[in-house]
Amino acid sequence: QLQLQESGPGLVKPSETLSLTCSVSGGSVSTDSHYWGWLRQPPGKGLEWIGDIYYTGITYYNPSLSSRATISVDTSQNQFSLKVSSVTAADTAVYYCARRGFGRPFDPWGQGSLVTVSS
Amino acid sequence: EIVLTQSPGTLSLSPGQRATLSCRASQSLSSGYLAWYQQKPGLAPRLLIYGTSIKATGIPDRFSGSGSRTNFTLSISRLEPEDFALYYCQQYDKSPLTFGGGTKVEIK
Repeated sequence: QLQLQESGPGLVKPSETLSLTCSVSGGSVSTDSHYWGWLRQPPGKGLEWIGDIYYTGITYYNPSLSSRATISVDTSQNQFSLKVSSVTAADTAVYYCARRGFGRPFDPWGQGSLVTVSS
Repeated sequence: EIVLTQSPGTLSLSPGQRATLSCRASQSLSSGYLAWYQQKPGLAPRLLIYGTSIKATGIPDRFSGSGSRTNFTLSISRLEPEDFALYYCQQYDKSPLTFGGGTKVEIK
């Protein structure tokens, strides 16, 4: 059974870079039929797609983050990562990683990681 | 960007009643790539329906999805206590992938 687990600092200072890693178990990120994605949910608000990565390194991003997001994949470690630069309080959210099949939505999801931006 | 509008914002119903949730897209989803998720407090969203009407693995038969183009519906035939939660629709037809604002199904 595929499982995803987010990890990273829970507190980041304004203007710094948020970094999270998603570890994948029970399956491989090097699958040719899936994307690996990041999403976020500010406290009490709705869901926002940040971007996806294919195992070859091809990425797709939501323009709403104005190029501040970078997603990378490490096939040797079976994980993928997210960096968001120049964070502000508006980036405070629960960050989720998830798998998405071709022509499919996100399933499964990680349990989520709360990142708070505060000095 | 495709905007998804969910209605109502809150649905107050009793166990055993039928729930009907709406999701309207600002552009036609000709592929039918519309999904529904259930989210409970403190947990990640759980996929219920994809491709407008296909149930995800392990989803009870009381959940069903329908619709086409710009109008989509999630129906729960008889609400069980565990169905009271937040529900989101999501389109994965065009980038950026987008979600609706959610419908809360609460106990009346």
